[in-house]
Amino acid sequence: DQQVKQNSPSLSVQEGRISILNCDYTNSMFDYFLWYKKYPAEGPTFLISISSIKDKNEDGRFTVFLNKSAKHLSLHIVPSQPGDSAVYFCAATPPNFNKFYFGSGTKLNVKP
Amino acid sequence: NAGVTQTPKFRILKIGQSMTLQCAQDMNHNYMYWYRQDPGMGLKLIYYSVGAGITDKGEVPNGYNVSRSTTEDFPLRLELAAPSQTSVYFCASRRRGATYETQYFGPGTRLLVL
Repeated sequence: DQQVKQNSPSLSVQEGRISILNCDYTNSMFDYFLWYKKYPAEGPTFLISISSIKDKNEDGRFTVFLNKSAKHLSLHIVPSQPGDSAVYFCAATPPNFNKFYFGSGTKLNVKP
Repeated sequence: NAGVTQTPKFRILKIGQSMTLQCAQDMNHNYMYWYRQDPGMGLKLIYYSVGAGITDKGEVPNGYNVSRSTTEDFPLRLELAAPSQTSVYFCASRRRGATYETQYFGPGTRLLVL
């Protein structure tokens, strides 16, 4: 039973345009949400996060939006750059922050 | 500061063999985690530890064992390897504190069970 879902396995975007990556979750107890970026043969690295008390968090070119009523979050990358090409995972954690639940990932390809 | 290190990088096991995947961190982090990533899937939590001497099961603990005798090390043991354990294994650590995003991952161990 997958509690965090990323329904788009891949996304292709032209350089300079916006990339929108989506994530849905089923557990209403999740309190904190994170996005990780992963390059081949490396471990995931933290990108950006959002608490359930907010609906938006911005960090440079990256913005995460949270819609709690829809149990949906999205990551916007503007403008997209070829170096952004990687697999992006969303993750969620309940209030105790002991366990993290990951989605299956979306492979982003930014074309020059 | 090496961060999170994992050894080996790659290993081939025969069915029924056993092995230990090593994980170490030098950041004095309280929390440590073991995940597996199957092709096309997300990371699944195998075991985690909130401090030396304390471990708990994650989503997919069957076939694995862990121990945490020191803050730095968190080895993962496979006793009887099965083809279903073919995967990439990631170890991670994080500091207990207010900034929950501080989860650092190792580079992974690729395991093939034949």
